[in-house]
Amino acid sequence: EVQLLDSGGGLVQPGGSLRLSCAASGFTFSNYAMIWIRQAPGKGLEWVSVIGGGGGTTDYADSVKGRFTISRDNSKNTLYLQMSSLRAEDTAQYYCAKFPYSNSGYSGRYFDYWGQGTLVTVSS
Amino acid sequence: QSALTQPASVSGSPGQSITISCTGTSSDVGSYSLVSWYQQHPGKAPKLIIYEVDKRPSGVSNRFSGSKSGNTASLTISGLQAEDEADYSCCSHAPSSTFDVVFGGGTKLTVL
Repeated sequence: EVQLLDSGGGLVQPGGSLRLSCAASGFTFSNYAMIWIRQAPGKGLEWVSVIGGGGGTTDYADSVKGRFTISRDNSKNTLYLQMSSLRAEDTAQYYCAKFPYSNSGYSGRYFDYWGQGTLVTVSS
Repeated sequence: QSALTQPASVSGSPGQSITISCTGTSSDVGSYSLVSWYQQHPGKAPKLIIYEVDKRPSGVSNRFSGSKSGNTASLTISGLQAEDEADYSCCSHAPSSTFDVVFGGGTKLTVL
């Protein structure tokens, strides 16, 4: 059974940093691209960052480029999102999710399994 | 890219059918068969219910169906049940210089 377990959220002051983690199980983690998606209170979903299965390809939404860094440790089956210079507008529930096709990069443009989310609140 | 447009809310009675629209442009929904739909109950993770416009993942009820016409994709839920009350979001491929998906704003379905 595929499981994604998000963690690391919390309350942080503007300008602060936080690292989110997503522990994966039930599939060959290194074969699949992964994505972080967030949902601000009362708003729609927004993709934040993506990473290829090997970790060599990454991309970021313009809203977080230069402030967030996505990475993965395939030996630990874990995805990360290092967030710095946090702003109030980064306040959201953050979800990790999995692409559906093995060894196919971002093919399909849909996400077949999601974590339960972790809440990040940026406030003084 | 701009978010896809969904109605903020829809409602229906048990047993009825409802349709949720997802309107994009000729650059996203209108050009690609890469529309997906997600169901989200309060406090829960989103769940994939439709992918590639009209395909259902294993285990998803056949009461859920997807379609597309022009720049608008639609999710239809037939035989409404109380458990269908949730938020529904659409997503489409949207070519861009960065990664290329865009989501709708979400629709709250109320089962009366």
